[in-house]
Amino acid sequence: GAVVSQHPSRVICKSGTSVKIECRSLDFQATTMFWYRQFPKQSLMLMATSNEGSKATYEQGVEKDKFLINHASLTLSTLTVTSAHPEDSSFYICSAPQEGAFKEQYFGPGTRLTVT
Amino acid sequence: RKEVEQDPGPFNVPEGATVAFNCTYSNSASQSFFWYRQDCRKEPKLLMSVYSSGNEDGRFTAQLNRASQYISLLIRDSKLSDSATYLCVVMRSNDYKLSFGAGTTVTVRA
Repeated sequence: GAVVSQHPSRVICKSGTSVKIECRSLDFQATTMFWYRQFPKQSLMLMATSNEGSKATYEQGVEKDKFLINHASLTLSTLTVTSAHPEDSSFYICSAPQEGAFKEQYFGPGTRLTVT
Repeated sequence: RKEVEQDPGPFNVPEGATVAFNCTYSNSASQSFFWYRQDCRKEPKLLMSVYSSGNEDGRFTAQLNRASQYISLLIRDSKLSDSATYLCVVMRSNDYKLSFGAGTTVTVRA
């Protein structure tokens, strides 16, 4: 099946710094990718839709200036958490649907962010 | 109201038992339905899609009731490896965004 990778898998950073998370589709092209966040014992919450060649669209309540998304190519989307705070500590997961098969969404392995 | 609601469990069952649980969804425009499995601190993995006529994949049976807006999953002959959190997921047809339930935890004991 299709593979999506994320990097890093785990990161610890200090409050006020920025962290970049990469999501790559390894064997297919993805014009759209999705970014989710999951707090402990809670469901995955969609944060934003990353669109290759255009601006990301954000879900209600997600600050676009804090969570910067760049869909640089057909295989790479990045999420940058700017001026991180401890409450941003969470599990961030991306997903990418294959073109023409949006029902098949492949998830990356996730990035666990801890802000101290 | 949450878009997708699930009984969080936990369901603690012995090996070989049958376990079943449901979820409900609020958006009647939802078109596609799935069960995902999530192991601790890992990404979700697709278990099965759910079709209107109901469908079976080995020991797993999924049902969809559009009128009542609920989806069910039944696991027969539970194995230790079935221990996981099961996520009920619905997709809107117009933008392919997924809405996740908080998950139902199943623990199968020897």
